[in-house]
Amino acid sequence: QPVLTQSPSASASLGASVKLTCTLSSGHSIYSIAWHQQQPDKGPRFLMKLNADGSHNKGDGIPDRFSGSSYGAERYLTISSLQSEDEADYFCQTWDTGIQVFGGGTKLTVL
Amino acid sequence: QVHLQESGPGLVKPSGTLSLTCGVSGASFSSSNWWSWVRRPPGKGLEWIGEVHHSGSTTYNPSLKSRVTVSLDKSKNQFSLMLNSVTAADTAVYYCARLVVLTGSYYFDHWGQGILVTVSS
Repeated sequence: QPVLTQSPSASASLGASVKLTCTLSSGHSIYSIAWHQQQPDKGPRFLMKLNADGSHNKGDGIPDRFSGSSYGAERYLTISSLQSEDEADYFCQTWDTGIQVFGGGTKLTVL
Repeated sequence: QVHLQESGPGLVKPSGTLSLTCGVSGASFSSSNWWSWVRRPPGKGLEWIGEVHHSGSTTYNPSLKSRVTVSLDKSKNQFSLMLNSVTAADTAVYYCARLVVLTGSYYFDHWGQGILVTVSS
């Protein structure tokens, strides 16, 4: 089954951009993933489904500041014009036959 | 507008059974989607628990499979989670979610706000 690897933490300044990475395990580089955001004390929110070719479908109401891209086994979430409410945990998720898999999550701090 | 809301006891005794319900509005159980449970223990990441399809089919996390049951009540527009023989390790915020199926992809597109369940005597 696929394994998703994320850096535990990231930080960037208010108004800047940040690129978060989710890496698929060997043999799973063609898998699509989904990105989810979890703000403190809230339920997760679906941001987008991201394919291996970089095409992505965003959830309802997700701002244009959030975009996705892919390169090989890596899947990226780029957040531009960072705002204070972007400070959250970001999880990637994928699937295989009969199972769902989450990455460990990246805690984003907005400085 | 799809909305999911978890409900149930916030405290369960060790060796007891955790029982939660997810009320669903704005969506039909008759589509190809699945209805899922995910949890997040304190200080840790998200863990998939299992899900149910409107046909009655279920899939479970192998690490929890022996203790978990997810079921659907279409008449009440809700689905449920039962986790038996709980220990302190099952203390977590539990989320219900819709797992959408689209062109071979499976991903969670709507989530509940979550409910904290503590296992303690």
